[in-house]
Amino acid sequence: DAMVIQNPRYQVTQFGKPVTLSCSQTLNHNVMYWYQQKSSQAPKLLFHYYDKDFNNEADTPDNFQSRRPNTSFCFLDIRSPGLGDAAMYLCATKQGQGGEKLFFGSGTQLSVL
Amino acid sequence: QQQVKQSPQSLIVQKGGISIINCAYENTAFDYFPWYQQFPGKGPALLIAIRPDVSEKKEGRFTISFNKSAKQFSLHIMDSQPGDSATYFCAASKPGRRALTFGSGTRLQVQP
Repeated sequence: DAMVIQNPRYQVTQFGKPVTLSCSQTLNHNVMYWYQQKSSQAPKLLFHYYDKDFNNEADTPDNFQSRRPNTSFCFLDIRSPGLGDAAMYLCATKQGQGGEKLFFGSGTQLSVL
Repeated sequence: QQQVKQSPQSLIVQKGGISIINCAYENTAFDYFPWYQQFPGKGPALLIAIRPDVSEKKEGRFTISFNKSAKQFSLHIMDSQPGDSATYFCAASKPGRRALTFGSGTRLQVQP
């Protein structure tokens, strides 16, 4: 019954070692978002896709990249993780035409050692 | 620039009491105002939402009150239960891509 699935649930990486987080959806939604949520803070939008159209937020560091090979999958790549990148990363989806409700995954908790 | 301001940061309510969380926004282009509920270790889930053409929306124990002229909206949780203990985020979005701008969150604790 899971609709937005994020893997892995917990990810540990080393300082500077590239890491990829994945998100898949069974909703066939056009729009996919990546949010970063640090402890006790609000989710912060990193970027989103409308179909294959990529939209980067102005303050998203270049260290963060994303790929969406098809409708169902979206990846977040962190090229050189720093200690400040430790956070929960949330994937969300939305129906493109007239949809308002975002469906969130359970997130990937990233630790950087 | 913080476009959605939320208060209080934390709230303790007795079981059966009313929980009230407030938000204010700045951008008049926002036309959709949802509240999300987040439990520890989980992603946020939509609780209730409102559009500015109505002043109030009620779903069960949850009510949104909306004041367009003041650019404020609030969540009321009636008969609060321990199971309501969670972090609540107000949010707002504009037409089009609908990327949510979140408030800073309120950690609600309902004591039995």
